[in-house]
Amino acid sequence: KAGVTQTPRYLIKTRGQQVTLSCSPISGHRSVSWYQQTPGQGLQFLFEYFSETQRNKGNFPGRFSGRQFSNSRSEMNVSTLELGDSALYLCASSLERPGDEKLFFGSGTQLSVL
Amino acid sequence: GESVGLHLPTLSVQEGDNSIINCAYSNSASDYFIWYKQESGKGPQFIIDIRSNMDKRQGQRVTVLLNKTVKHLSLQIAATQPGDSAVYFCAETTGGGNKLTFGTGTQLKVEL
Repeated sequence: KAGVTQTPRYLIKTRGQQVTLSCSPISGHRSVSWYQQTPGQGLQFLFEYFSETQRNKGNFPGRFSGRQFSNSRSEMNVSTLELGDSALYLCASSLERPGDEKLFFGSGTQLSVL
Repeated sequence: GESVGLHLPTLSVQEGDNSIINCAYSNSASDYFIWYKQESGKGPQFIIDIRSNMDKRQGQRVTVLLNKTVKHLSLQIAATQPGDSAVYFCAETTGGGNKLTFGTGTQLKVEL
């Protein structure tokens, strides 16, 4: 069974640009979450989608947005990039079956903002 | 705000020894706890989880202990191997869902 797949693996952008990151969850998983990982702030929750609806949102500005498609694939978008947005963006999926809430992560997209 | 924190940023152990990684959490309402292992260049990998109605859970070479009285979580790795070298994170959540609060991480170094 394939794991969580994130594309692209690496991305370099300049300030002011926007970026879209893609995530394909494990087959059968309907919940997709996004996290930002930086050396200074660690792993921080961005948002979670379930059945194409945002179910939870973290404390990030409105420049960070996401969506989920009917096949459970998800994208996140960051507009008007800032230097501080440089981070590893991780996507995770889960089965959402009662008693089985394990979250599986992809390898992430490393975003560098210059 | 609420947070999950780790006591030791770096832990060095000899190959074959047992490792204990600790985590303190502050949200008394947390009911689900998870340990993740992250190797360089990879995403966090699930190790073991535990619910708040348990105080111990064992997996293959790993054991998680939960002490709700002092809000403390620990991960024990038996017979530590070089492949165990990684950063270990504890995470907690409340009421289900996937909004995890992660600890700061502990770097485990296994010396030969």
